[in-house]
Amino acid sequence: GESVGLHLPTLSVQEGDNSIINCAYSNSASDYFIWYKQESGKGPQFIIDIRSNMDKRQGQRVTVLLNKTVKHLSLQIAATQPGDSAVYFCAENRGGGSNYKLTFGKGTLLTVNP
Amino acid sequence: GAVVSQHPSWVICKSGTSVKIECRSLDFQATTMFWYRQFPKQSLMLMATSNEGSKATYEQGVEKDKFLINHASLTLSTLTVTSAHPEDSSFYICSVGRLNSPLHFGNGTRLTVT
Repeated sequence: GESVGLHLPTLSVQEGDNSIINCAYSNSASDYFIWYKQESGKGPQFIIDIRSNMDKRQGQRVTVLLNKTVKHLSLQIAATQPGDSAVYFCAENRGGGSNYKLTFGKGTLLTVNP
Repeated sequence: GAVVSQHPSWVICKSGTSVKIECRSLDFQATTMFWYRQFPKQSLMLMATSNEGSKATYEQGVEKDKFLINHASLTLSTLTVTSAHPEDSSFYICSVGRLNSPLHFGNGTRLTVT
């Protein structure tokens, strides 16, 4: 989603539903993408990553989809749980081969209602 | 993934004083660490890259004389906010880069300058 000023995009879902969080990236040269989860007052926690030679990658309850044509990344969370409530950031690597230098997206606040 | 420890988790200081934040890589020797800053409801912004045994590389707009970075060992990087002012109040987060692995983050330091 797009952010406006200082307000985070928000997504509210019911427990047990699937969640889809979207991210648009800007640099067509980016070749590595990561999704992070950040709970209040904590540092970002790695969820899943994907390289540009793939268009889909699955983890436990999570799937990342990459569409390089439109520079779009999405995170799908299956059977969303209250513990999934957090801010989710996508990050792209513009460092040209290094996993190190990441640029973060604006974030999406996911709220899971019990 | 890397285990990263940050200290302190929060600090309150008076305007004009300096504050030192430590970032430790607990499970491997890190030649590179990264310092990010995050204002409320905003994304993470890379401040600088800390290089063991050499000078840090600062991002555009970040004052190197105000944010002193020292990476004297392979397990420790420090960020010193000198002559802190209320506008420096923020959440400072370090991360550790490991070849072919995603960045892992510390739990951040909440700095409040009064």
